[in-house]
This record gives sequence, structure tokens and C-alpha cells, in this order.
Amino acid sequence: DSGVTQTPKHLITATGQRVTLRCSPRSGDLSVYWYQQSLDQGLQFLIQYYNGEERAKGNILERFSAQQFPDLHSELNLSSLELGDSALYFCASSDTADTQYFGPGTRLTVL
Amino acid sequence: SQQGEEDPQALSIQEGENATMNCSYKTSINNLQWYRQNSGRGLVHLILIRSNEREKHSGRLRVTLDTSKKSSSLLITASRAADTASYFCATEPTGGGNKLTFGTGTQLKVEL
Repeated sequence: DSGVTQTPKHLITATGQRVTLRCSPRSGDLSVYWYQQSLDQGLQFLIQYYNGEERAKGNILERFSAQQFPDLHSELNLSSLELGDSALYFCASSDTADTQYFGPGTRLTVL
Repeated sequence: SQQGEEDPQALSIQEGENATMNCSYKTSINNLQWYRQNSGRGLVHLILIRSNEREKHSGRLRVTLDTSKKSSSLLITASRAADTASYFCATEPTGGGNKLTFGTGTQLKVEL
């Protein structure tokens, strides 16, 4: 158990809808990262937050947004969902060191 | 886009044998990390090697890094059925913050 929690575990929704994925980092970790894992794109970095502020951005679509709250939990919002957004979404957290600890992921299925 | 390419894509060995996986990457890095992923589940951090290190050990794991060739290898000795998983290398690029760029992964199957 990495100490990172993600909810929900599974999400099934329809095209055009909007969903929110939630992540609670390990106690004391200030950085939160979001990754997407799909069959065709592999594991891709989406975005990083550090202590509430956006730190780095990767291949994140404009339809996607994230934020980190004062209690350090983070949410990833996915809107106008398309079939291709079906994937595993991982959250990871780290302190000042290099190692990132990954949560169990949220499996999103868009029908 | 993925920076790393891993080789082989899939590997099947008998329990007790050693497994070697290779990773190549494209840019300068601060460190390279290896992760394990059991089918469709979260990634588990295995080992981190910094750019100024050449070899590192952790239990049955041995990692090498050759920055001149931009490559790394992961050796799992005396493999067990429980080692069956996908293994990914991930690089932290120089000046790229802490974001990780993952390789394509190697699927390892250890048979009894």
C-alpha cells in the first residue's frame, strides 16, 4: 500500500459527460501528479501540483483540468468525454525526494 | 509521447532463472526509475538510480545505467512466480521538474 488513495475505483459514463477523479496523497507529500495510461499511448504525464500551485504540465487536453486543495488532495476534472478518454488514471505523490508513490488508479470507461 | 523504449516487449522464463530488461531513452536525465505494475493495478516503485551512478542493488534487483548510451538495464535474479508483472522504466529529465516519462514496458511472465 503506497499511502496514496484514489476514488472512485471504476467509473463508467457516456460520451459528452463530465467526471471528477479524486486523489489523496501520502501524509506530508506536497506534490501530486496525474498520469493517464491507455493502450495506445502508454503511460503519460498529465500535470503536477505542488502545495496548491500548478508546477508542470504534460500532455493534458484542454478539456481536462486539475486542482490541488489546501488539504493537499487533488481532483482531476475530465469534461466533454470522448471514447478515447477511456483509460486508467493514476495519481502519484512525492515529498522533496525523487520517488513518486502511485495510487491504485481510477479506471474510466466512456461508452 | 514516451521517451523510453523497453526491450524485450515480453519475456517468459522459468522460476529461478534471471530476467533482464533493457530501457533506452532520448534526453539528458536527472535519474532513472524502475516501476512494476501488476495487471491493471497501480505502479510500485522498485529502484531509482541517479545520473552520476552506474550500478545499484536492492535485494534481488540490480540496475545499471549508461548515460553515454542513454540506456539502463534491470536484472531480477532468482525470479519467482510473484515477479510476474509489467516493468516500466521512467526518466526524470534534466530541467524538466519531477515529471516522469515512462517507457513502453516489458511484460514478464515467470512460470513454475
